[in-house]
Amino acid sequence: GQSLEQPSEVTAVEGAIVQINCTYQTSGFYGLSWYQQHDGGAPTFLSYNALDGLEETGRFSSFLSRSDSYGYLLLQELQMKDSASYFCAVSPNAGNNRKLIWGLGTSLAVNP
Amino acid sequence: DTEVTQTPKHLVMGMTNKKSLKCEQHMGHRAMYWYKQKAKKPPELMFVYSYEKLSINESVPSRFSPECPNSSLLNLHLHALQPEDSALYLCASSLEGLAGVTYNEQFFGPGTRLTVL
Repeated sequence: GQSLEQPSEVTAVEGAIVQINCTYQTSGFYGLSWYQQHDGGAPTFLSYNALDGLEETGRFSSFLSRSDSYGYLLLQELQMKDSASYFCAVSPNAGNNRKLIWGLGTSLAVNP
Repeated sequence: DTEVTQTPKHLVMGMTNKKSLKCEQHMGHRAMYWYKQKAKKPPELMFVYSYEKLSINESVPSRFSPECPNSSLLNLHLHALQPEDSALYLCASSLEGLAGVTYNEQFFGPGTRLTVL
């Protein structure tokens, strides 16, 4: 089967750093994406990793290790507005495949 | 314009009604998607259109009928739905290369919250 595992809930305080891990078992792998979704809102693309290493975009960074089938999203200088669900998603194939395999999501609560 | 719009925002329908959900984007994206999302769950892919042709149908019941009239518009026609079809229906779009290469960022609309009575 194909599966992605990520923690269901994470709690942190404002200003802190939090890491959300994602491990995957898929029949193919082309890249790992991260999406943010606030309650009542639409998913918003955060980042994409196809190669090993760290990608940084402002306060958010994403890491991929293909050999370990593992990635993480790192959120720094947490703000209250970062409270949301975070989904990792795998693109299983290159080219003619638009189907993402989604993790179940991590609910992040940022407290004052 | 980097926005995907969806109408209506909310829809309540009976099991015998026929209704349609609409989605529009003007980013020049040639891949468009319908997803269904239940509370506290990830989006669940229903259909994908590529260059206005149906590319993926995830074994969705025939009471859901997608349509892509042109490169900017995507519709989802609903008929004889069941209460368990109540969910948030999300439309998304993404760039698509001529050789079928896809780009990984999907842009989502705000969704239509559907309630079937």
